[in-house]
Amino acid sequence: SSELTQDPAVSVALGQTVRITCQGDSLRSYYASWYQQKPGQAPVLVIYGKNNRPSGIPDRFSGSSSGNTASLTITGAQAEDEADYYCNSRDSSGNHLTVFGTGTKVTVL
Amino acid sequence: QVQLQESGPGLVKPSGTLSLTCAVSGGSISSSNWWSWVRQPPGKGLEWIGEIYHSGSTNYNPSLKSRVTISVDKSKNQFSLKLSSVTAADTAVYYCARLRIAVAGRTGYYMDVWGKGTTVTVSS
Repeated sequence: SSELTQDPAVSVALGQTVRITCQGDSLRSYYASWYQQKPGQAPVLVIYGKNNRPSGIPDRFSGSSSGNTASLTITGAQAEDEADYYCNSRDSSGNHLTVFGTGTKVTVL
Repeated sequence: QVQLQESGPGLVKPSGTLSLTCAVSGGSISSSNWWSWVRQPPGKGLEWIGEIYHSGSTNYNPSLKSRVTISVDKSKNQFSLKLSSVTAADTAVYYCARLRIAVAGRTGYYMDVWGKGTTVTVSS
């Protein structure tokens, strides 16, 4: 399957925890990667692999995976975390395709 | 560190061909990475277009495959995108990105370096 499904929008109170999920059959075979995108900016990688953060990404961002679902958790959300978040994975059909999730808008209240 | 910069016409006529180039600096395009193109129509999500390895091997989004060609120029350390028979639906911000692969149990693919993006409008 080549679809990754995300909730369109979630909100979180400042300093609280929010989990963003990504569902798709390919996630049983491949880890998801997660990208943060703010308006007018290019996406930024925040999580890759089992639970790896690139240099410069705060440790309040973490990733996990179970079955066909990958999750991005922001623990202690900050105002600057308000953004769109996309998951991404390889397609599991064996056709060497890459798929992006539908995206989740995170609002920090 | 590696940086990517997209360039190309910002306006393309309908039925024409969109041509973009991504210049790689701070590293070699011949390193063990794939190089990708991603686009984002106004107000919409990210769409993977395709990718290329320095050997010339390519993978394309099936929905665009008949119109897309991605090529690499190792002498100039850059790779390119051509999209033919464009329509207004191809209006988007086009990004180039470096695709890496991590293997730890399962495999993870991730794009760790992105260009700033370039806006392409299809209009007469």
